[in-house]
Amino acid sequence: ETGVTQSPTHLIKTRGQQVTLRCSSQSGHNTVSWYQQALGQGPQFIFQYYREEENGRGNFPPRFSGLQFPNYSSELNVNALELDDSALYLCASSLGVGGTEAFFGQGTRLTVV
Amino acid sequence: RKEVEQDPGPFNVPEGATVAFNCTYSNSASQSFFWYRQDCRKEPKLLMSVYSSGNEDGRFTAQLNRASQYISLLIRDSKLSDSATYLCVVKGYNTDKLIFGTGTRLQVFP
Repeated sequence: ETGVTQSPTHLIKTRGQQVTLRCSSQSGHNTVSWYQQALGQGPQFIFQYYREEENGRGNFPPRFSGLQFPNYSSELNVNALELDDSALYLCASSLGVGGTEAFFGQGTRLTVV
Repeated sequence: RKEVEQDPGPFNVPEGATVAFNCTYSNSASQSFFWYRQDCRKEPKLLMSVYSSGNEDGRFTAQLNRASQYISLLIRDSKLSDSATYLCVVKGYNTDKLIFGTGTRLQVFP
């Protein structure tokens, strides 16, 4: 296993609600990236956190926000959920920025109804 | 145009077959290239990095052609356990942002 854990594993929410997903990075890793994977698609980069600061963002609206804590764990928050937000949300941890392998957690499967 | 393009498949092949996947990328500044494997409803896992000189790991061979912006993966002597989705991935310089293709699904049958 990668040592990257995500919670919860599955979640069902109603349109308009807010959700918080959590990720514990691999020991010693200070960088966490979040990806959204819709059914039949490859993962899409949402944003990355490096040492508690956002360090790059993909093409996602501001209702997708995040946080990284001093222990390098991270949260992804999504406000005003839409049906199209239904997806597998993956977090990946790595050491530093650029050049090191990223290890993925098992993902959180979010269903918005 | 997508940044990374792959044939989604599925590729249905018998055990023992050789199968090749191709991928093209649009950003010539891309620096690092990978193949990831993703099993059904699981997270992606790094299969191998791809280098211009080509690299081999057992039954798997990866090639990169920077001039054509083309990446390939060859699987020889396919096993049932190779059934999965294979994701072509590129990364820019000094960034951890991974850009994934949609994946190519492989189904190996007995």
